[in-house]
Amino acid sequence: DQQVKQNSPSLSVQEGRISILNCDYTNSMFDYFLWYKKYPAEGPTFLISISSIKDKNEDGRFTVFLNKSAKHLSLHIVPSQPGDSAVYFCAAGGGGSEKLVFGKGTKLTVNP
Amino acid sequence: DAGITQSPRHKVTETGTPVTLRCHQTENHRYMYWYRQDPGHGLRLIHYSYGVKDTDKGEVSDGYSVSRSKTEDFLLTLESATSSQTSVYFCAISGARETQYFGPGTRLLVL
Repeated sequence: DQQVKQNSPSLSVQEGRISILNCDYTNSMFDYFLWYKKYPAEGPTFLISISSIKDKNEDGRFTVFLNKSAKHLSLHIVPSQPGDSAVYFCAAGGGGSEKLVFGKGTKLTVNP
Repeated sequence: DAGITQSPRHKVTETGTPVTLRCHQTENHRYMYWYRQDPGHGLRLIHYSYGVKDTDKGEVSDGYSVSRSKTEDFLLTLESATSSQTSVYFCAISGARETQYFGPGTRLLVL
């Protein structure tokens, strides 16, 4: 039973355009959500997070949107750059637990 | 970057042999985690620790054990390695508000 789902295994966009990565969750106890970026042969790196008390958090080119009623979050990258090509993992936590649950990842390719 | 190192970075071993992977942190964080990453499965939690000598199982703990005798070190042991344990293993530590920071990974091949 997947509690965090990233339904698109891959996404391809043109440089300069917007990249939108999606994530759905099922556990209403989750109150903290994170996005990680992973390059090949490296560990995942923390990108951006959002608490359930917010519906948007922005950091430079990266914005995360949270729709609690739909149990859906998305990561927007504007403008996309070739260096953004990586696997992006969505993660969720909360409910008093120090554990995170990760999605399976979406591989983003930004074409020059 | 969080001060996390993993050793070894690469290892090839044979089925049936014990293997120990080490995670070392310099951040004095309370929580440490071991994950494995496999194609089509994302990151799955093996075990985690919430303090010295305090550990608990994760989603895929069968065939693995852990120990934490010091705050800075978290060891993952494959008691008798199997080919299904061929994977990339990541250690993570927990900073503020559940944000976890990951090490560089250990690539393990079990022949």
